[in-house]
Amino acid sequence: EAGVTQSPTHLIKTRGQQVTLRCSPISGHTSVYWYQQALGLGLQFLLWYDEGEERNRGNFPPRFSGRQFPNYSSELNVNALELEDSALYLCASCWVGQGGDYGYTFGSGTRLTVV
Amino acid sequence: GENVEQHPSTLSVQEGDSAVIKCTYSDSASNYFPWYKQELGKGPQLIIDIRSNVGEKKDQRIAVTLNKTAKHFSLHITETQPEDSAVYFCAARGFQKLVFGTGTRLLVSP
Repeated sequence: EAGVTQSPTHLIKTRGQQVTLRCSPISGHTSVYWYQQALGLGLQFLLWYDEGEERNRGNFPPRFSGRQFPNYSSELNVNALELEDSALYLCASCWVGQGGDYGYTFGSGTRLTVV
Repeated sequence: GENVEQHPSTLSVQEGDSAVIKCTYSDSASNYFPWYKQELGKGPQLIIDIRSNVGEKKDQRIAVTLNKTAKHFSLHITETQPEDSAVYFCAARGFQKLVFGTGTRLLVSP
């Protein structure tokens, strides 16, 4: 079973530019979560998509947005990049078991550097 | 909102010693508590998890305990090995999302 795949792995952008990050969840998983991990810090919740809809978002400005496609893959868009947006962006795929159990599997992330 | 505190921020042990990392959470409705290991340049990898109807879970050298009354849970690693060196994150599933602790950098010296 393929894991959660994210692309690109690394990206360098200039302040003010826009960026799109991509995530493909594990086959059969319908939920995708996005997290931001700034250098040396913990994971901050960004967005949650399920069945093509945005279900929840964290305390981030509107220039952070995204969407989920019919095949459950997802994009994270960041407009008007700022230096402090430099971080590792992680995507997690959520599975739900028959007994109501669930779990989260993370991809390897996209390292975004804003200069 | 939900908050998860994690201690210590760094932990240095000798190979073969035990390591304990502790977390507390604020949302009493939290019902799922995973632990992740993150190595340099990689995404977090799930190493063990526990649900709110269980007090303790063990998987070889790793164990997790949960005290719902006190709202805290702990990770125990026995017989540590150099390859256990990494950053460990606890998390609690509150309303619709995982909330993470700030991480513990574990260094196991040979």
